[in-house]
This record gives sequence, structure tokens and C-alpha cells, in this order.
Amino acid sequence: DVQMTQSLSYLAASPGESVSISCKASKSISNYLAWYQQKPGEAYKLLIYSGSTLQSGTPSRFSGSGSGTDFTLTIRSLEPEDFGLYYCQQYYEKPLTFGSGTKLEIK
Amino acid sequence: EIQLQESGPGLVKPSQSLSLTCSVTGYTITSGYDWSWIRKFPGNKMEWMGYISYSGSTNYNPSLKSRISITRDTSKNQFFLQLNSVTTEDTATYYCASALGARFAYWGQGTLVTVSS
Repeated sequence: DVQMTQSLSYLAASPGESVSISCKASKSISNYLAWYQQKPGEAYKLLIYSGSTLQSGTPSRFSGSGSGTDFTLTIRSLEPEDFGLYYCQQYYEKPLTFGSGTKLEIK
Repeated sequence: EIQLQESGPGLVKPSQSLSLTCSVTGYTITSGYDWSWIRKFPGNKMEWMGYISYSGSTNYNPSLKSRISITRDTSKNQFFLQLNSVTTEDTATYYCASALGARFAYWGQGTLVTVSS
């Protein structure tokens, strides 16, 4: 199985700041990488797919980069509603696998 | 808009079977997408369990292959999860989700299932 590692389990930042969340795959997955946001009481939201393509409805302050084994989700100019859990997921091969999640807390 | 809603028992005894239903509205499950079950364990680890495609074919995570079955009722626009011989390690929040190109665009809210005697 492809192991997905999110090295930061917790991150705190202030509104207006920019943050980056990293995700590393145990083997090359090309750009078959998606990012999700989960907020308490809400359904998971697909933010980005193909490593850098914004899903319809995702604010432009979100961006994704990377290919191969190293990927980054960047949120520019944080808004208070950006708190939550962020997961990466590879879909290069089955079984589909997820990172361990990064909790973003707004200061 | 596609909406998914999980339902089923919140408590299951060890060695028994876990059965969940995902009801889909806003889209017919035979029209497209792969219809998946995903679970999140305490501590936030997530596991894709498997899917049933719009055509009815299934694909399971090998880690569960001997215990899992995903079926559907097209007349009710529902799909189902059955997980056999559960242990306390199957305690998790279970989500149903629809995938296009193996990325999950629509999710249910999730349902917590506790395995305990």
C-alpha cells in the first residue's frame, strides 16, 4: 500500500497568515493526490484534486502543489472558517490511502 | 446536489456483523460514480474500505477482503456495508461517499459505530 505521511498533526495560525501543510507519499504517485477539509458537524469537503486543481467552490486562497512523492496544500490569508482537519489522499493505486491528518487551529 | 446519509446501529457486539445503509438523494446510483465506504478511527486515521460502482462491480481493500461486502438496492437508491466478525478495533465513524476518478466529491455526515459487549 502507498503510505501517506502528514508530518504535522497540529498547526495554529492567525487570520491573515499563510500556512502550508505537507503530505509525502511512500512512492511516486504522479499527481494523483487530493486534499480534503473536515469541520466538526460538516461533511468532508474535497478542496483540490490532481495535486493542484481546485474543486468547484474551493476559494482561490487555497492552492496545491507537488508531484511524485511530495505535496503541499497552501492557504493564503487565512480566514476564521478555515479551521478544521485537513487530509491528503492518493488515488494512484488501490487501496486508496489517506494521510494521518493535520488539525489547523485558528489563533 | 448529491446528498448521502448513513444509517444503522450505533452499537455492535464483538464477533457480530456490522450493517450500515447509505441513502443517496439528488443522483441515481446507477448513473455514475463509485459508491464507497470509508471509516475514521479514534485518533483520526482514515481507511478506505471499498466501493460498489454504478454498474454494480465491487472493489475492496485487501485488508478487509474476507470480512466485507458492499451491495445495493437500486430501487431505493441505497447501498450497504456489511462487515463480519467485528472486533473492538472496528470501532470508528463510518462514512459513505461518492467518487469520480477515485476522489471523493460527496460525503455523508458519518455515523459512529462502537463495537462493545
